[in-house]
Amino acid sequence: SQTIHQWPATLVQPVGSPLSLECTVEGTSNPNLYWYRQAAGRGLQLLFYSVGIGQISSEVPQNLSASRPQDRQFILSSKKLLLSDSGFYLCAWSRAPSGTGVRKTGELFFGEGSRLTVL
Amino acid sequence: SQQGEEDPQALSIQEGENATMNCSYKTSINNLQWYRQNSGRGLVHLILIRSNEREKHSGRLRVTLDTSKKSSSLLITASRAADTASYFCATDAGSGGYNKLIFGAGTRLAVHP
Repeated sequence: SQTIHQWPATLVQPVGSPLSLECTVEGTSNPNLYWYRQAAGRGLQLLFYSVGIGQISSEVPQNLSASRPQDRQFILSSKKLLLSDSGFYLCAWSRAPSGTGVRKTGELFFGEGSRLTVL
Repeated sequence: SQQGEEDPQALSIQEGENATMNCSYKTSINNLQWYRQNSGRGLVHLILIRSNEREKHSGRLRVTLDTSKKSSSLLITASRAADTASYFCATDAGSGGYNKLIFGAGTRLAVHP
């Protein structure tokens, strides 16, 4: 069965410090990978998604970056955190569409989230 | 920008009652999905309805989709205290998107014993 791991679960960082959140998926290959951010009591904002190694699409211009060094590893980073980077970060994966010309997104499987507080 | 907008933002009911949450969206879609989130946890997929479907059932869940009105509803029948959570709709962003879901702001459901 497939599993998704996300860490750390909780992080308190000072403004200006770097950030690295890591996400790995097991039990599947060539997944689509996503980073979402959720502000307190709000919906999810898509930050990045990836359809393959080294392929990153950014949805929102910001202080963050993402990398996919391996097929099932997705990393969210920042060189210098801002107060506004605080939030609940969620990694997710989905099965890549099969067949040519298929662009639909199926079910997303989420990690348990990483709560980041920037002070 | 948000694609889906849930209504109401918050809902409080008694156990045994039905809970109805609505979702409206703006662009054409391939499918619409509903997710549940317990406080401080990740999201869990509940149900997916395709653009050519009008209604779908899964246990105590019933989802409808009206593409002409660009809206969907999630009905939870005979609610239980364990159904207390936030519920989100998400749309596969049609021809303008690829491999990504756009989520609404969610409905916070509280079911009281």
